[in-house]
Parts: sequence; structure tokens; C-alpha cells
Amino acid sequence: NAGVTQTPKFRVLKTGQSMTLLCAQDMNHEYMYWYRQDPGMGLRLIHYSVGEGTTAKGEVPDGYNVSRLKKQNFLLGLESAAPSQTSVYFCASTKTGNYGYTFGSGTRLTVV
Amino acid sequence: DQQVKQNSPSLSVQEGRISILNCDYTNSMFDYFLWYKKYPAEGPTFLISISSIKDKNEDGRFTVFLNKSAKHLSLHIVPSQPGDSAVYFCAASPGFGNEKLTFGTGTRLTIIP
Repeated sequence: NAGVTQTPKFRVLKTGQSMTLLCAQDMNHEYMYWYRQDPGMGLRLIHYSVGEGTTAKGEVPDGYNVSRLKKQNFLLGLESAAPSQTSVYFCASTKTGNYGYTFGSGTRLTVV
Repeated sequence: DQQVKQNSPSLSVQEGRISILNCDYTNSMFDYFLWYKKYPAEGPTFLISISSIKDKNEDGRFTVFLNKSAKHLSLHIVPSQPGDSAVYFCAASPGFGNEKLTFGTGTRLTIIP
């Protein structure tokens, strides 16, 4: 049972490039989330999804888009990367009524 | 506007002693509180939680205390062990039906052997 898997684990982008971060969970969880972790800022919610085909904005959604075409996958897209998007990105999932999120191991993204 | 605050970025504690991590919140709608533990290069893992109808929840060496009137919660670890060295995040949610967590900034706990 893999839990939550994030790919890639590391990536360096040039300003203006685009990329997609993939999150996959095999626990049949309804809810999925994308957070970013920055020094002194903790974990901040970017976007989340309460089910297949639905997405919603979190605390810091600007510059990101998401899609949940399949229940097990939640994609985070950066259309035009900026240095301010240098961060560690975490995906998490949970089932209805459960706050004990399962997190992936993170993607470290550097935008130069 | 930081709705969940952890004012101590770091804490060092001698092995075997008690570690106390603190967390304050400003949103009176928060109804459920959690602590997560994070090791380097790993995702956070759920540690312990407490509902607002309780003021204490215990799980082995870990106890979480909630003071609703002060909007304050704390995590007690006793006795502290070297494996407890990690970053601890406090998190809060408005309650059932809103499984969206607001996290604090984290406290790095170092246990000194």
C-alpha cells in the first residue's frame, strides 16, 4: 500500500517555464490537497478537492491551477513559473470526516 | 493573517525531560485541533488530535491540552526521546464537514541526549 505518491521529488525550472506536479493516492480518499511549505510560513493551502471533478481555491492559489479528473490523482500546474514559487510542495489526502491527513513525501521545486 | 500561531520556532529539551510545545489560534470557529510531526525530507505525519468538547487527550507519551477560553493548545511529550527530534505543526479546522486544515508555522524540537 503506497499511500500518497508525489512525482517528481526534485525539479529546477527557469522563470517562465511550466510544469505539472502529480499526486496519486491508492486509499480511495475523497479529499485531496496541495500545500506549500516555506521557511517561517508553515504549510499553506494552495488548492483542494472534495471529490473527482471538483476543485477549490485555498489560501494561496495565485499562479497555480489544479485538476482532479480521476479520484486517485490530483495535479498541480504552474503555467509560468516565478522565483516566488520556489518551495517544497506537499500533497495530502483524507476521507470524509477524518482530519488525519496522509501526506506525500514532497516535491522540492526551485525556480531560477 | 496567521490564524494559527506557534511563537517558538525552536525548542531544545534534555532526553527524559518533558517537552512542551505551544500553539495559539485566533479563529473562534475552529473546532478541531491536531498536531503533526515532520522529519526532514518526509511529509508530515499525524500525531494526536483533540475536539473542542474536550480539554485533554492522551496517547502514550503524548498529551494535548486545549484551553478554549484562551484559544491555546499545547502538546506535552514525556519522557522526551531522541526520536522525537522533528518539526511539529499545530493545525486547526472549523469541524466536521470541513476537512480543511489551517497549519501553524511549526516548532523545531531538538532532544539533547
